[in-house]
Amino acid sequence: EVQLLESGGGLVQPGESLRLSCAASGFIFSNYAMSWVRQAPGKGLEWVSVISASGGTTYYADSVKGRFTMSRDNSKNTLYLQMNSLRAEDTAVYYCATREGFSDSSGYYRFFQDWGQGTLVTVSS
Amino acid sequence: EIVLTQSPGTLSLSPGERATLSCRASQSVTSHYLAWYQHKPGRAPRLLIYGASSRATGIPDRFSGGGSGTDFTLTISRLEPEDFAVYYCQQYSNSRYSFGQGTKLEIK
Repeated sequence: EVQLLESGGGLVQPGESLRLSCAASGFIFSNYAMSWVRQAPGKGLEWVSVISASGGTTYYADSVKGRFTMSRDNSKNTLYLQMNSLRAEDTAVYYCATREGFSDSSGYYRFFQDWGQGTLVTVSS
Repeated sequence: EIVLTQSPGTLSLSPGERATLSCRASQSVTSHYLAWYQHKPGRAPRLLIYGASSRATGIPDRFSGGGSGTDFTLTISRLEPEDFAVYYCQQYSNSRYSFGQGTKLEIK
């Protein structure tokens, strides 16, 4: 059974930093791209970032580019999100998710297969 | 950036009724890159549909997806009590992902 367990959330002041972790189990972590998705209070889901299976390629939403850094340690089956220069608008529940990508005779697919329960980040003075 | 607009914002229906949720894209989306998720408060989002019309593993056949280009739909043929939740469409394009703002399906 796939399990994704986020941790590291908490209350921080604007401008401070926080690092989130996502511990993965139940699948071959190093075979999967991974992503972070967040949900601000009362709002919808917002994609944050994605990292390739090897960790060599990352992409970010414009809202976090230059402030957040996504990384992974495949030897520890763990995903990270380093969040710097935090703002009030970064307040959200942060979810990690497996990014499925496969192809068949008709094309290539990309979607988020399995999700963690999320960790709450609150940015407030 | 492709913007997804879902409608209606809220849908009030009774168990046993049929639900049709819409997702419109600001520009054409490759069908393979369109997915639907169900999200309940305090729980992890759940993949329902990928590739616009393929049901994810374990998803009941009352859930179906369709559409192409800029217009996609999620249909729930006969609502069960556990289906009342928020539903999101999601697309991938140019190494970026985006979600619609969600449709809340509530009990009438």
